[in-house]
Amino acid sequence: GQQVMQIPQYQHVQEGEDFTTYCNSSTTLSNIQWYKQRPGGHPVFLIQLVKSGEVKKQKRLTFQFGEAKKNSSLHITATQTTDVGTYFCAGPDSGNTGKLIFGQGTTLQVKP
Amino acid sequence: NAGVTQTPKFQVLKTGQSMTLQCAQDMNHEYMSWYRQDPGMGLRLIHYSVGAGITDQGEVPNGYNVSRSTTEDFPLRLLSAAPSQTSVYFCASRYRDRVVEQYFGPGTRLTVT
Repeated sequence: GQQVMQIPQYQHVQEGEDFTTYCNSSTTLSNIQWYKQRPGGHPVFLIQLVKSGEVKKQKRLTFQFGEAKKNSSLHITATQTTDVGTYFCAGPDSGNTGKLIFGQGTTLQVKP
Repeated sequence: NAGVTQTPKFQVLKTGQSMTLQCAQDMNHEYMSWYRQDPGMGLRLIHYSVGAGITDQGEVPNGYNVSRSTTEDFPLRLLSAAPSQTSVYFCASRYRDRVVEQYFGPGTRLTVT
């Protein structure tokens, strides 16, 4: 079945270092969404990318959607302790059921 | 708007007991879903609904039942709890026909002993 894979599973960085998480789908996606879950919290929507090759920025966060619409990345510049959490990518089910298929997530720890 | 609400926040069950996790949303969203989150496994879809009276199975439906009698409510029933159902459960909702963000409830942390 359709799979969405994320790497790495965990990342520990020193505050001020950059961080990148990668998302790969087994099928072409019509769009991709990114969510952030703080420790003990629930996933919260960050952004959605729709177009091939699209790049969007939110302050220190840069999101990219691959040209083939099968991969995506989230890059954080100069991490801060407030960036701690798990980042998930999610893409719609290719069977047009409306389901969102989530990656396993990348958990980011930031050392002050 | 309260958004997506879930009750209870925490629950401990003994093996074999049954219970219902409640989920409600006040955003008039057609699409609602239940996920379970386990360490290293991400968010796995249990059941979902595209509107009142319509439900379907997700990735891990065994041991769970759902119903959707109203647009607002989407309860998840554990028929006979097992230790393997120890997890954090999230309910989520969104509009059905638009490719838009999904809103998650605060979660229910369930322990089955």
